[in-house]
Amino acid sequence: ETGVTQTPRHLVMGMTNKKSLKCEQHLGHNAMYWYKQSAKKPLELMFVYSLEERVENNSVPSRFSPECPNSSHLFLHLHTLQPEDSALYLCASSQELAGGLNEQFFGPGTRLTVL
Amino acid sequence: AQSVTQPDIHITVSEGASLELRCNYSYGATPYLFWYVQSPGQGLQLLLKYFSGDTLVQGIKGFEAEFKRSQSSFNLRKPSVHWSDAAEYFCAVGPLRGGSYIPTFGRGTSLIVHP
Repeated sequence: ETGVTQTPRHLVMGMTNKKSLKCEQHLGHNAMYWYKQSAKKPLELMFVYSLEERVENNSVPSRFSPECPNSSHLFLHLHTLQPEDSALYLCASSQELAGGLNEQFFGPGTRLTVL
Repeated sequence: AQSVTQPDIHITVSEGASLELRCNYSYGATPYLFWYVQSPGQGLQLLLKYFSGDTLVQGIKGFEAEFKRSQSSFNLRKPSVHWSDAAEYFCAVGPLRGGSYIPTFGRGTSLIVHP
């Protein structure tokens, strides 16, 4: 595997289900991100992990729970979701530089449908 | 706070024609600027980036962008569009904040290519 992978690619769940999205990066990066992409809305940054520490949490509802057990893996645990949570969830990684920035590498996304 | 504006929601061009996608940003200093492309069902892929130096940057797939500080713009161009360029294009601004790379994305421009 190369780059950033996400599983599953598609997920359909009921509002009472619990599921998890998985992201794995094979690039040796030290930062990982979760984004939500809804139709006709800008890309929404949800969570950022830098060196496995959460550094950003953009007022995301508690029904979304991230986990970063190591620098290569990122999870998004889902429970009691709402239909408006249906979206494409994108994972990204980057290599943070001291005093500088670097581009993000994105996974293909998980298309989530909440019934 | 920084912001990114992509004024065109949709752009339609004929194959072989030239292309320019607009991006304007709001930020107090020179930001880090990126253009990403997203094909249907895929994650975002970096086309090019500007950090400093030459204001005309070359990217992949024959794209280029020019940073114009006086206009706070970073427009994407391609001299001859191919049908495979049909996709969603995102401009992003990436200032350094709190030691982490927290980018701001524009809403995207959908490129339609007519044969």
